[in-house]
Amino acid sequence: GESVGLHLPTLSVQEGDNSIINCAYSNSASDYFIWYKQESGKGPQFIIDIRSNMDKRQGQRVTVLLNKTVKHLSLQIAATQPGDSAVYFCADPISGYALNFGKGTSLLVTP
Amino acid sequence: SAVISQKPSRDICQRGTSLTIQCQVDSQVTMMFWYRQQPGQSLTLIATANQGSEATYESGFVIDKFPISRPNLTFSTLTVSNMSPEDSSIYLCSVAGGKETQYFGPGTRLLVL
Repeated sequence: GESVGLHLPTLSVQEGDNSIINCAYSNSASDYFIWYKQESGKGPQFIIDIRSNMDKRQGQRVTVLLNKTVKHLSLQIAATQPGDSAVYFCADPISGYALNFGKGTSLLVTP
Repeated sequence: SAVISQKPSRDICQRGTSLTIQCQVDSQVTMMFWYRQQPGQSLTLIATANQGSEATYESGFVIDKFPISRPNLTFSTLTVSNMSPEDSSIYLCSVAGGKETQYFGPGTRLLVL
């Protein structure tokens, strides 16, 4: 099956708790970052983005934090719900509009 | 955001055969991309599909193995040629949205036996 060779780190949280998903990037010249959510059997879905001139950006129940000093990005999900269970990827542009995706984190929300 | 569909949604193929995946967008878009997502892994860009010219391939991907067509601004195809079990993956098309954001299709799940 498709689970052979699974390499994704997994985060397990209880429903109602806050989730924090981390991402490290290597290109110090990157000036734009995006978080995607990929549910099982679907393509990635845009969640939130942030430009490098910002440290924080908030959406509905989600917050992205950017620390350029240590090249670290995090996605915080408030009051995590079962529907948040998915794989989360950070991405930044390679050139033009093509994207370079991070490894991904599998979020599992337990009741 | 654009609505993107892919056909087939999944397929099981024999090694040595080829499969053509279609990507249809509900609006005209300049830039379309093809990605591969191997089991349990992240997405890797295969190529940028250019309308009216040859696709631009990333390192490690070649036109003979992954020929791409882009006949107009709403449609593209990716062919996976002479398949082997290592080609078993999810293949995703995407289009450029506003800023540098991309929107993805649902993917085509390919299993090669």
